[in-house]
Amino acid sequence: EADIYQTPRYLVIGTGKKITLECSQTMGHDKMYWYQQDPGMELHLIHYSYGVNSTEKGDLSSESTVSRIRTEHFPLTLESARPSHTSQYLCASSESPGLRNEQFFGPGTRLTVL
Amino acid sequence: AQSVAQPEDQVNVAEGNPLTVKCTYSVSGNPYLFWYVQYPNRGLQFLLKYITGDNLVKGSYGFEAEFNKSQTSFHLKKPSALVSDSALYFCAVRGAQTGANNLFFGTGTRLTVIP
Repeated sequence: EADIYQTPRYLVIGTGKKITLECSQTMGHDKMYWYQQDPGMELHLIHYSYGVNSTEKGDLSSESTVSRIRTEHFPLTLESARPSHTSQYLCASSESPGLRNEQFFGPGTRLTVL
Repeated sequence: AQSVAQPEDQVNVAEGNPLTVKCTYSVSGNPYLFWYVQYPNRGLQFLLKYITGDNLVKGSYGFEAEFNKSQTSFHLKKPSALVSDSALYFCAVRGAQTGANNLFFGTGTRLTVIP
């Protein structure tokens, strides 16, 4: 079944740790996105990718980094987690060319940094 | 600049009554408009979109939305609310001329359907 997956769903970690949030989609979409969302609040785009080896920063400045080595995989990494990184992170994908197409979202990773 | 406004943080409606969740937008050129729903501890689920053509768009779970260009609005509606419709609803817009792929989201409206 075509879908978009995120792991872990919940993560509690101490300050200074390096973390990677995983996102994979089986829909063959070229475009992928990472959003940051505080509980019950609006979404802010932090990274996006048009395809393999393409990554761009979004509207909201983020200390995280992303990579896109395979079409289906778009991991997000925080080299040194801080309490200010506590939030929900949502991954999404869409078909090319993209402007008319809706984005499909994963279930999210809720990150808590102590 | 692109932006979306959802003027109501919270909407309460009795089960069986019609519901409306409001959305207005600002974008250069023609808009592409989307509605998403988010249930607790879940990602966003796509409900419907307006790209072009008929101003009344029908989507999932009996929802529909009406595009009004003169009022720059895209209100979400349903003729008869269900308790299971209780969730957080997001309106989003993208300009047709924009080169970027960014989707701009509103701040969300929490819908509560009262049994």
